[in-house]
Amino acid sequence: GAGVSQTPSNKVTEKGKYVELRCDPISGHTALYWYRQSLGQGPEFLIYFQGTGAADDSGLPNDRFFAVRPEGSVSTLKIQRTERGDSAVYLCASSLRAGGLNEQFFGPGTRLTVL
Amino acid sequence: GQQLNQSPQSMFIQEGEDVSMNCTSSSIFNTWLWYKQDPGEGPVLLIALYKAGELTSNGRLTAQFGITRKDSFLNISASIPSDVGIYFCAGQTYNNNDMRFGAGTRLTVKP
Repeated sequence: GAGVSQTPSNKVTEKGKYVELRCDPISGHTALYWYRQSLGQGPEFLIYFQGTGAADDSGLPNDRFFAVRPEGSVSTLKIQRTERGDSAVYLCASSLRAGGLNEQFFGPGTRLTVL
Repeated sequence: GQQLNQSPQSMFIQEGEDVSMNCTSSSIFNTWLWYKQDPGEGPVLLIALYKAGELTSNGRLTAQFGITRKDSFLNISASIPSDVGIYFCAGQTYNNNDMRFGAGTRLTVKP
């Protein structure tokens, strides 16, 4: 079946602009995760959803970052007033359920470049 | 927060050689995982370890969950060109559903 998909694959924007990044999880997966990966680093946790609710948003760096999952499937990561330091690959992952025994499947990521 | 130290940062080896990389943490994890990431792709799970002392193999890959629960290693035997990529360790605790990743080991295999 289809894996996790993310759109767009690349996004170039100017400092101060607003961006939305979309994630389509694997069908039937109730848990969805967002990570940010800077160049030369491992993924860094941002937020995870169980169903429609954000169960843990402790990784969001500041209030410019926000994510929603209104129907418990597709999720959108929203970044306001983008800064050059926001440039990174944003990865989405989904798992059947939350919890350490449930494998997280990653999408290919969205590469965000803020000029 | 929990810090994972992964080493080496990069490795250049000949095809057929064995490879070893490891990860240490300042905190205890309940699950250790090893991922491989190819360019332009997300990480793909290679091996998951759930118990201290556990030794698990997946083909040419072998990983162990350290007794202290603060470390793990990954071995790759008889490397082949398609082993090229970046390998990440990751740790998870029972209380957290997020994973903490190491900075990765970049593997280059020369034919």
